[in-house]
Amino acid sequence: AQRVTQPEKLLSVFKGAPVELKCNYSYSGSPELFWYVQYSRQRLQLLLRHISRESIKGFTADLNKGETSFHLKKPFAQEEDSAMYYCALLGWGGAQKLVFGQGTRLTINP
Amino acid sequence: EAGVVQSPRYKIIEKKQPVAFWCNPISGHNTLYWYLQNLGQGPELLIRYENEEAVDDSQLPKDRFSAERLKGVDSTLKIQPAELGDSAVYLCASRPSGGFSGELFFGEGSRLTVL
Repeated sequence: AQRVTQPEKLLSVFKGAPVELKCNYSYSGSPELFWYVQYSRQRLQLLLRHISRESIKGFTADLNKGETSFHLKKPFAQEEDSAMYYCALLGWGGAQKLVFGQGTRLTINP
Repeated sequence: EAGVVQSPRYKIIEKKQPVAFWCNPISGHNTLYWYLQNLGQGPELLIRYENEEAVDDSQLPKDRFSAERLKGVDSTLKIQPAELGDSAVYLCASRPSGGFSGELFFGEGSRLTVL
């Protein structure tokens, strides 16, 4: 079964502090992992995907297969980073199904 | 480009009433999804269409929920009769057919309140 767990519903940090949003997954094969973001009054959108190994808006995420984790990190938080963040897993096979975690609301305090 | 368009944005109904949500995907996107998002939860897949064919409806509660995509473009999700527990946001998403990169394009959602 595919499952994504985000253990923190809420996360609050001060501007300029490092941020880490945790994501753990359960999947028997080799999944692809993603982070989606929803800013206030905007629609849900893709932030980054692990396979691209890219940094988007200063965020990075490394897939750790040993720990089955895909934590999202940013060294210096900015106020505009305040949003809902969802970790998502794509399992292969015929399903082509994107499974989302419960989400973490990140608040950056000035 | 308007993106994925959903209507209505908000709907308040009494329990046992029917309700319908409409979705217009991005032009050229043959794959369409309906997701359910309960308060404080992530989106959960209800149904996926490839053109007009429902290829994954295993999560759709078929006793009261139905969906259609007759011409392979717009889609409608219906609930009849609605129950209190159906209060949620119903999200439509689309993507081009073929290899899935993991990127879905979401609409703004339809927020349903059942009284």
